[in-house]
Amino acid sequence: QKEVEQNSGPLSVPEGAIASLNCTYSDRVSQSFFWYRQYSGKSPELIMSIYSNGDKEDGRFTAQLNKASQYVSLLIRDSQPSDSATYLCAGAFSGNTPLVFGKGTRLSVIA
Amino acid sequence: EPEVTQTPSHQVTQMGQEVILRCVPISNHLYFYWYRQILGQKVEFLVSFYNNEISEKSEIFDDQFSVERPDGSNFTLKIRSTKLEDSAMYFCASSARGTAAEAFFGQGTRLTVV
Repeated sequence: QKEVEQNSGPLSVPEGAIASLNCTYSDRVSQSFFWYRQYSGKSPELIMSIYSNGDKEDGRFTAQLNKASQYVSLLIRDSQPSDSATYLCAGAFSGNTPLVFGKGTRLSVIA
Repeated sequence: EPEVTQTPSHQVTQMGQEVILRCVPISNHLYFYWYRQILGQKVEFLVSFYNNEISEKSEIFDDQFSVERPDGSNFTLKIRSTKLEDSAMYFCASSARGTAAEAFFGQGTRLTVV
């Protein structure tokens, strides 16, 4: 059973701080990981994808993947109140198997 | 920017009735998916569709569910006889190259079974 685990939070950070969101997964045979942002009552919105070990930066977002430790993280720099949402970690474990989602971490950025 | 569109945004139906949820995936995408999210819970995979056939389905996707691509643009999910526990947000997603690439989600259909 392939699982993706996230701390449900809430994670509260002050405006302008770095928010660090973490995700672990159960299966070593992993291919790709994705971070989605979901506002309450809305659909998941893709914000980052990462396919290989290391860091990937896009604007204020940095995704980190460590396959040896089975760990994925998302850093949000200069956090804004508009970043307040639930962040979903999703993994694609092999070939074209469907995404497995974590429960999501609720982030609250306090102005 | 191309997007996945879903209709209706909200559907209320009586238990035992059939519902059809509609999706128009991004036009050059080849892989299509249905996911659902019960309120307060994880996003769960239902079914994936490629080359006009189901490529994978979860144990949620039982005989009450079916999918179809009736023409070149629409992708539908039918629930034959709805149950109270089918109440959820249903999301359609599409991808250009399967889960080796990013999947983009539609805005969802909120299904309420009463």
